[in-house]
Amino acid sequence: GAVVSQHPSRVICKSGTSVKIECRSLDFQATTMFWYRQFPKQSLMLMATSNEGSKATYEQGVEKDKFLINHASLTLSTLTVTSAHPEDSSFYICSARNRPYGYTFGSGTRLTVV
Amino acid sequence: QKEVEQNSGPLSVPEGAIASLNCTYSDRGSQSFFWYRQYSGKSPELIMSIYSNGDKEDGRFTAQLNKASQYVSLLIRDSQPSDSATYLCAVEGVRDNYGQNFVFGPGTRLSVLP
Repeated sequence: GAVVSQHPSRVICKSGTSVKIECRSLDFQATTMFWYRQFPKQSLMLMATSNEGSKATYEQGVEKDKFLINHASLTLSTLTVTSAHPEDSSFYICSARNRPYGYTFGSGTRLTVV
Repeated sequence: QKEVEQNSGPLSVPEGAIASLNCTYSDRGSQSFFWYRQYSGKSPELIMSIYSNGDKEDGRFTAQLNKASQYVSLLIRDSQPSDSATYLCAVEGVRDNYGQNFVFGPGTRLSVLP
Protein backbone atom coordinates (compact mmCIF):
# COMPACT_ATOMS: atom_id res chain seq x y z
CA GLY A 1 0.00 0.00 0.00
CA ALA A 2 0.85 3.65 -0.18
CA VAL A 3 2.38 5.34 2.85
CA VAL A 4 2.60 9.04 3.51
CA SER A 5 4.79 10.11 6.40
CA GLN A 6 4.13 13.43 8.11
CA HIS A 7 6.29 15.16 10.73
CA PRO A 8 6.10 16.46 13.34
CA SER A 9 2.98 14.90 14.79
CA ARG A 10 2.64 17.60 17.38
CA VAL A 11 4.21 21.02 17.77
CA ILE A 12 3.77 23.90 20.16
CA CYS A 13 5.21 27.24 19.16
CA LYS A 14 5.17 30.80 20.32
CA SER A 15 3.09 33.40 18.57
CA GLY A 16 5.07 35.10 15.81
CA THR A 17 7.36 32.18 15.05
CA SER A 18 7.31 29.92 12.01
CA VAL A 19 6.67 26.19 11.88
CA LYS A 20 7.57 23.76 9.10
CA ILE A 21 5.62 20.56 8.50
CA GLU A 22 7.00 17.83 6.25
CA CYS A 23 5.08 15.34 4.18
CA ARG A 24 6.84 12.45 2.44
CA SER A 25 5.55 9.73 0.17
CA LEU A 26 7.56 6.70 1.22
CA ASP A 27 6.95 4.11 -1.46
CA PHE A 28 5.65 6.06 -4.41
CA GLN A 29 6.24 9.29 -6.24
CA ALA A 30 3.71 12.04 -5.74
CA THR A 31 3.71 14.85 -8.28
CA THR A 32 0.80 16.35 -6.42
CA MET A 33 0.18 16.56 -2.71
CA PHE A 34 -2.63 18.21 -0.84
CA TRP A 35 -2.67 20.15 2.41
CA TYR A 36 -5.75 20.22 4.61
CA ARG A 37 -6.65 21.94 7.85
CA GLN A 38 -9.20 20.64 10.28
CA PHE A 39 -10.62 22.53 13.24
CA PRO A 40 -12.25 20.61 16.11
CA LYS A 41 -15.49 18.90 15.17
CA GLN A 42 -15.28 20.20 11.62
CA SER A 43 -14.53 18.51 8.34
CA LEU A 44 -11.30 18.65 6.38
CA MET A 45 -10.80 21.86 4.47
CA LEU A 46 -8.42 21.86 1.53
CA MET A 47 -5.88 24.64 1.86
CA ALA A 48 -3.69 24.13 -1.17
CA THR A 49 -2.51 21.75 -3.83
CA SER A 50 1.22 21.26 -3.94
CA ASN A 51 2.74 20.59 -7.36
CA GLU A 52 6.25 19.24 -7.77
CA GLY A 53 8.48 21.76 -9.46
CA SER A 54 5.92 24.52 -9.69
CA LYS A 55 3.92 26.90 -7.54
CA ALA A 56 1.22 25.63 -5.27
CA THR A 57 -2.43 26.31 -5.97
CA TYR A 58 -4.20 27.86 -3.00
CA GLU A 59 -7.89 27.70 -2.19
CA GLN A 60 -9.89 30.86 -1.84
CA GLY A 61 -9.29 32.57 1.48
CA VAL A 62 -5.96 30.88 2.16
CA GLU A 63 -3.08 33.33 2.44
CA LYS A 64 -0.24 32.07 0.29
CA ASP A 65 2.28 34.36 1.99
CA LYS A 66 1.36 32.92 5.34
CA PHE A 67 1.23 29.26 4.37
CA LEU A 68 4.33 28.64 2.27
CA ILE A 69 4.38 25.41 0.33
CA ASN A 70 7.44 23.87 -1.26
CA HIS A 71 7.36 20.69 -3.33
CA ALA A 72 10.97 20.33 -4.35
CA SER A 73 10.98 16.62 -5.10
CA LEU A 74 8.59 13.86 -6.09
CA THR A 75 8.49 12.57 -2.53
CA LEU A 76 8.56 15.66 -0.33
CA SER A 77 6.25 18.58 0.23
CA THR A 78 6.57 21.07 3.07
CA LEU A 79 4.12 23.51 4.59
CA THR A 80 5.53 26.43 6.57
CA VAL A 81 3.19 28.41 8.74
CA THR A 82 4.84 31.82 8.98
CA SER A 83 4.34 34.24 11.84
CA ALA A 84 1.94 31.82 13.49
CA HIS A 85 -0.87 33.14 15.66
CA PRO A 86 -3.22 31.34 18.06
CA GLU A 87 -5.96 31.25 15.41
CA ASP A 88 -3.63 29.11 13.27
CA SER A 89 -3.82 26.37 15.88
CA SER A 90 -5.34 23.42 14.10
CA PHE A 91 -4.80 19.90 12.81
CA TYR A 92 -2.88 19.98 9.53
CA ILE A 93 -2.97 16.93 7.28
CA CYS A 94 -1.28 16.19 3.98
CA SER A 95 -2.32 13.64 1.40
CA ALA A 96 -1.18 12.28 -1.92
CA ARG A 97 -2.89 10.44 -4.74
CA ASN A 98 -1.52 7.03 -5.50
CA ARG A 99 -3.55 4.99 -7.93
CA PRO A 100 -5.15 2.57 -7.33
CA TYR A 101 -5.12 3.25 -3.61
CA GLY A 102 -6.88 6.58 -3.82
CA TYR A 103 -5.78 9.38 -1.59
CA THR A 104 -3.49 8.42 1.27
CA PHE A 105 -3.20 10.72 4.25
CA GLY A 106 -0.31 11.53 6.51
CA SER A 107 -0.83 11.06 10.23
CA GLY A 108 -1.40 14.78 10.74
CA THR A 109 0.27 17.55 12.71
CA ARG A 110 -1.39 19.09 15.73
CA LEU A 111 -0.22 22.72 15.84
CA THR A 112 -0.74 24.76 18.98
CA VAL A 113 0.32 28.40 18.94
CA VAL A 114 0.65 29.98 22.39
CA GLN B 1 -19.19 24.94 -6.45
CA LYS B 2 -19.04 21.21 -6.05
CA GLU B 3 -20.86 19.89 -3.02
CA VAL B 4 -20.83 16.65 -1.15
CA GLU B 5 -23.48 16.23 1.51
CA GLN B 6 -23.81 13.86 4.41
CA ASN B 7 -25.99 13.74 7.49
CA SER B 8 -23.82 14.93 10.34
CA GLY B 9 -25.36 12.49 12.79
CA PRO B 10 -24.69 11.21 15.26
CA LEU B 11 -25.99 7.95 13.95
CA SER B 12 -26.39 5.49 16.78
CA VAL B 13 -26.77 1.75 16.18
CA PRO B 14 -26.60 -1.19 18.56
CA GLU B 15 -23.68 -3.58 18.38
CA GLY B 16 -24.23 -6.23 15.71
CA ALA B 17 -26.65 -4.12 13.68
CA ILE B 18 -26.17 -2.73 10.19
CA ALA B 19 -25.06 0.89 9.97
CA SER B 20 -26.08 2.74 6.81
CA LEU B 21 -24.24 5.91 5.85
CA ASN B 22 -25.38 8.06 2.95
CA CYS B 23 -23.77 10.66 0.72
CA THR B 24 -24.99 12.76 -2.18
CA TYR B 25 -22.92 14.85 -4.55
CA SER B 26 -23.69 17.67 -6.93
CA ASP B 27 -21.16 17.20 -9.75
CA ARG B 28 -22.45 14.78 -12.38
CA GLY B 29 -18.93 14.57 -13.81
CA SER B 30 -17.63 12.89 -10.65
CA GLN B 31 -15.77 9.72 -11.42
CA SER B 32 -14.35 8.25 -8.25
CA PHE B 33 -15.84 7.86 -4.83
CA PHE B 34 -14.21 7.08 -1.52
CA TRP B 35 -15.20 6.35 2.04
CA TYR B 36 -12.79 7.27 4.81
CA ARG B 37 -12.97 6.63 8.54
CA GLN B 38 -11.57 9.18 10.94
CA TYR B 39 -11.12 8.60 14.64
CA SER B 40 -11.00 11.62 16.88
CA GLY B 41 -7.60 13.32 16.69
CA LYS B 42 -6.40 11.07 13.88
CA SER B 43 -6.13 11.48 10.14
CA PRO B 44 -8.57 9.77 7.78
CA GLU B 45 -7.95 6.22 6.65
CA LEU B 46 -9.35 4.79 3.45
CA ILE B 47 -12.03 2.15 3.85
CA MET B 48 -13.25 1.68 0.31
CA SER B 49 -13.21 3.17 -3.14
CA ILE B 50 -15.86 2.64 -5.81
CA TYR B 51 -15.85 3.73 -9.42
CA SER B 52 -18.80 2.10 -11.16
CA ASN B 53 -22.49 1.71 -10.43
CA GLY B 54 -23.53 -1.10 -8.16
CA ASP B 55 -22.23 -2.67 -5.01
CA LYS B 56 -18.70 -3.36 -3.89
CA GLU B 57 -18.08 -5.53 -0.87
CA ASP B 58 -15.00 -5.78 1.33
CA GLY B 59 -15.41 -7.76 4.51
CA ARG B 60 -18.10 -6.14 6.65
CA PHE B 61 -18.24 -3.09 4.41
CA THR B 62 -20.34 -2.60 1.28
CA ALA B 63 -20.20 0.53 -0.83
CA GLN B 64 -23.09 1.28 -3.15
CA LEU B 65 -22.98 3.75 -6.03
CA ASN B 66 -25.83 5.13 -8.12
CA LYS B 67 -24.51 7.76 -10.51
CA ALA B 68 -27.94 8.52 -11.96
CA SER B 69 -29.15 9.52 -8.50
CA GLN B 70 -25.77 10.99 -7.55
CA TYR B 71 -25.77 8.89 -4.45
CA VAL B 72 -23.20 6.75 -2.72
CA SER B 73 -23.62 4.81 0.49
CA LEU B 74 -21.65 2.68 2.90
CA LEU B 75 -23.11 -0.24 4.80
CA ILE B 76 -21.34 -1.67 7.81
CA ARG B 77 -22.57 -5.11 8.81
CA ASP B 78 -22.20 -6.53 12.31
CA SER B 79 -21.26 -3.11 13.66
CA GLN B 80 -18.72 -3.08 16.47
CA PRO B 81 -17.98 -0.41 19.08
CA SER B 82 -14.59 0.01 17.38
CA ASP B 83 -16.45 1.22 14.29
CA SER B 84 -17.48 4.33 16.22
CA ALA B 85 -15.87 7.18 14.29
CA THR B 86 -16.63 9.87 11.76
CA TYR B 87 -17.11 8.59 8.23
CA LEU B 88 -16.14 10.89 5.40
CA CYS B 89 -17.44 10.60 1.89
CA ALA B 90 -15.07 11.95 -0.76
CA VAL B 91 -15.73 12.52 -4.43
CA GLU B 92 -13.24 13.01 -7.21
CA GLY B 93 -14.30 14.62 -10.43
CA VAL B 94 -13.08 16.91 -13.11
CA ARG B 95 -10.62 19.52 -11.92
CA ASP B 96 -12.35 22.88 -11.58
CA ASN B 97 -10.97 26.34 -12.18
CA TYR B 98 -9.34 26.37 -8.79
CA GLY B 99 -7.57 23.09 -9.36
CA GLN B 100 -9.66 21.24 -6.85
CA ASN B 101 -11.17 17.98 -7.94
CA PHE B 102 -11.38 16.06 -4.69
CA VAL B 103 -14.10 17.13 -2.29
CA PHE B 104 -14.91 15.81 1.16
CA GLY B 105 -18.32 15.72 2.71
CA PRO B 106 -18.74 17.05 6.25
CA GLY B 107 -18.75 13.53 7.68
CA THR B 108 -21.24 11.43 9.62
CA ARG B 109 -20.48 10.57 13.20
CA LEU B 110 -21.31 6.93 13.94
CA SER B 111 -21.74 5.62 17.44
CA VAL B 112 -22.04 1.85 17.96
CA LEU B 113 -23.53 1.10 21.33
CA PRO B 114 -22.38 -2.04 23.21
